[in-house]
Amino acid sequence: GAVVSQHPSWVICKSGTSVKIECRSLDFQATTMFWYRQFPKQSLMLMATSNEGSKATYEQGVEKDKFLINHASLTLSTLTVTSAHPEDSSFYICSALRDSLRNEQFFGPGTRLTVL
Amino acid sequence: GENVEQHPSTLSVQEGDSAVIKCTYSDSASNYFPWYKQELGKRPQLIIDIRSNVGEKKDQRIAVTLNKTAKHFSLHITETQPEDSAVYFCAASMGETSGSRLTFGEGTQLTVNP
Repeated sequence: GAVVSQHPSWVICKSGTSVKIECRSLDFQATTMFWYRQFPKQSLMLMATSNEGSKATYEQGVEKDKFLINHASLTLSTLTVTSAHPEDSSFYICSALRDSLRNEQFFGPGTRLTVL
Repeated sequence: GENVEQHPSTLSVQEGDSAVIKCTYSDSASNYFPWYKQELGKRPQLIIDIRSNVGEKKDQRIAVTLNKTAKHFSLHITETQPEDSAVYFCAASMGETSGSRLTFGEGTQLTVNP
């Protein structure tokens, strides 16, 4: 159990376009999900905490108007990168907290975003 | 906020040897310390975790120790195998107090040479 999926697994887009990434908890409910960004050979950097039914909480330095997060159900959170630029190219990973097990985060497989 | 430092950044060992990776954290309120293994282009996988009410935990070839007074914790891998080669991340969390947010260390690239 505790499977998290992400879609798409990779995406290539032109500069200035928007890209939506989905994160789903397949076999458990997750009131809370997290979005991370990972640049090559670097660590995971938390971007925001996504809470079902409420506004996301963004980490310092992350533009909330550029990285739109929607957590409309207990199994789905979406991250939309608006007006993407080449510097947004990165590996985006989500994780989900199982409501019945509050500490352990279950990670999605990641989405590789390349902005041309 | 919490700050986690991890050393070394790279570690190369011979197959069969032990590997030790160390992390320090800054906030004494942290109470949950997971370790993740990440292969290139893949998701982080939890390999072991420890909570602040215990000092050591072991799972086959993997063990983690925690020193709350010194605010550091370590990952020990014994009898290393080539398939242990990956990037390892430590992390710290203050649990529900911080919304279960994780702060990650910078990572250690472990290479196990056959």
